[in-house]
Amino acid sequence: DAMVIQNPRYQVTQFGKPVTLSCSQTLNHNVMYWYQQKSSQAPKLLFHYYDKDFNNEADTPDNFQSRRPNTSFCFLDIRSPGLGDAAMYLCATSRVGSPTEAFFGQGTRLTVV
Amino acid sequence: GESVGLHLPTLSVQEGDNSIINCAYSNSASDYFIWYKQESGKGPQFIIDIRSNMDKRQGQRVTVLLNKTVKHLSLQIAATQPGDSAVYFCAEKGKEFTGGGNKLTFGTGTQLKVEL
Repeated sequence: DAMVIQNPRYQVTQFGKPVTLSCSQTLNHNVMYWYQQKSSQAPKLLFHYYDKDFNNEADTPDNFQSRRPNTSFCFLDIRSPGLGDAAMYLCATSRVGSPTEAFFGQGTRLTVV
Repeated sequence: GESVGLHLPTLSVQEGDNSIINCAYSNSASDYFIWYKQESGKGPQFIIDIRSNMDKRQGQRVTVLLNKTVKHLSLQIAATQPGDSAVYFCAEKGKEFTGGGNKLTFGTGTQLKVEL
């Protein structure tokens, strides 16, 4: 039944070692988002895709990159994770014409050691 | 700049009572305000939204009130149940992206605890 699926649920990576988080969706939505959510804080938008068009938020560090090879899949790459990048990473989708309802995955909890 | 904030970090209510979660916003230009629920270990889930030209909207057991004069948003949950225990975020719909999609700016969240 899950419509936005994130893998893995938990990821431990070493300081400075590249890591990739993945997201897939069965909703066929054009728009996909990546949010970062630190402990007890609100989700913060990193970037989004409309189809294959990538859009970065102005304050998203260069350390964060993303790929969307097709409609269903989207990846978050962290090139050199720092301790401050430990967070929950949330993938979401939305349908064009539905401005307020985003469908979130369960998130990947990233720990940097 | 845009900001959406909440008054209380934690709200405890007895099962069966009504809950009221409050939120203040600063961006008067936003045309939608939204409430999301986030259960432990899960992603946020859409609850209800309200357009800025409305002052009240009702859903199933939930009511959202918007007071534009004081830039205040509230979520009322009737007959609160244990399954309502979660963090509740208010959010505002921000700029529309070229092609499609919208930026959602979330507030800091209120933890709702339902006591049996």
